[in-house]
Amino acid sequence: AQSVSQHNHHVILSEAASLELGCNYSYGGTVNLFWYVQYPGQHLQLLLKYFSGDPLVKGIKGFEAEFIKSKFSFNLRKPSVQWSDTAEYFCAVNAPGGSYIPTFGRGTSLIVHP
Amino acid sequence: DTGVSQNPRHKITKRGQNVTFRCDPISEHNRLYWYRQTLGQGPEFLTYFQNEAQLEKSRLLSDRFSAERPKGSFSTLEIQRTEQGDSAMYLCASSSYGLAIANTGELFFGEGSRLTVL
Repeated sequence: AQSVSQHNHHVILSEAASLELGCNYSYGGTVNLFWYVQYPGQHLQLLLKYFSGDPLVKGIKGFEAEFIKSKFSFNLRKPSVQWSDTAEYFCAVNAPGGSYIPTFGRGTSLIVHP
Repeated sequence: DTGVSQNPRHKITKRGQNVTFRCDPISEHNRLYWYRQTLGQGPEFLTYFQNEAQLEKSRLLSDRFSAERPKGSFSTLEIQRTEQGDSAMYLCASSSYGLAIANTGELFFGEGSRLTVL
């Protein structure tokens, strides 16, 4: 069974700081990878996804993530965070052999101070 | 696109009562998922449907939990004889699978139904 680990549960940054959130998964086959974001009071929404091709993927609002297959990682990055990036961030993985049922990590709470 | 709609948004009940949540997915989506989310945790998969067929239900938390999608449109999640440990946010999501719309694997979530069991 696939699983997802997010190592940073709480991150506090000042505006303009750089962000990197870790995500590791356990599954030996082909995977699809996602980052979802949940802003306060809102529903989960997709930030970015990786299916194949260029391992560096760009998403909305200046976020990007890099898939490193040898490390089973899909870390999320943003060079300069804003107060409006305050949210919960969830990494998710699904496997085509697993009926496309996404498994989520426990999430990282990001607070950005103005 | 009106998005995924869930009702009720909040439900407070006494232990032992039955509760039912409804989810209306995005109309052109054929897959519908139920997840549960507790404080400080990510969404935990419960069950999913493809059209009206429930393809996976072994992850429902107990036999007190059941879900239906009778006409392949809206779905209901019922919890019988609620317990305090059932208090959580119940999330519904929909997606397209194998349709003309590219199967991106992206889930579209509703805002959730928060259950509090006293």
